[in-house]
Amino acid sequence: DIQMTQSPSSLSASVGDKVTITCRASQDISNYLAWYQQKSGKVPELLIYAASTLQSGVPSRFSGSGSGTDFTLTISSLQPEDVATYYCQKYNSAPRTFGGGTKVEIK
Amino acid sequence: EVQLLESGGGLVQPGGSLTLSCAASGFTFRSYAMNWVRQAPGKGLEWVSGISASAGSTFYADSVKGRFTISRDNFKDTLFLQMNSLRAEDTALYYCAKHNGGSASPFDCWGQGTLVTVSS
Repeated sequence: DIQMTQSPSSLSASVGDKVTITCRASQDISNYLAWYQQKSGKVPELLIYAASTLQSGVPSRFSGSGSGTDFTLTISSLQPEDVATYYCQKYNSAPRTFGGGTKVEIK
Repeated sequence: EVQLLESGGGLVQPGGSLTLSCAASGFTFRSYAMNWVRQAPGKGLEWVSGISASAGSTFYADSVKGRFTISRDNFKDTLFLQMNSLRAEDTALYYCAKHNGGSASPFDCWGQGTLVTVSS
């Protein structure tokens, strides 16, 4: 099975900072990569799919890139409401594995 | 409005069984593949199981294969997860999640979850 590895597992940044989270697949998954945001005590929400397509309603400060095995989620200017844990997921076929998550906090 | 409402969680002893349900509304349930995803307390997301729109194909994580069974009733717009031989490590919040297109698509709608606690 394909493994999904995220880094870092946590980060702390200041409001307005650019934040980058990486996700690596153990095999080529083309662009079948999604990013989810989960705020504390809340349900996960889809942010980005097809590696770089923003889900409707998601602020444009979020962006995704990558293909194959290496992917990146970028928040161009971190806002207080972005405090959350972010997960990547491969969804082309089962098992639809999630990465371990990256917890983003404000410094 | 698309809604998914899970039920059936609770406290069960190790080795016991439980059946979760997920009632869907606001979309054509029979047209979408569905999944169960769980989250142990303080831990990350773990995909558990998936089922095609027609129920012709089912998929399981290795951690639950042979113990859990996913099914659906497309007349009652309901997804199920039958869980047998439960273990302490199955303790988690169980979410049902809908694909936003075919099976090779991400999960665009999640329920609020139902908590399963396996303990003696």
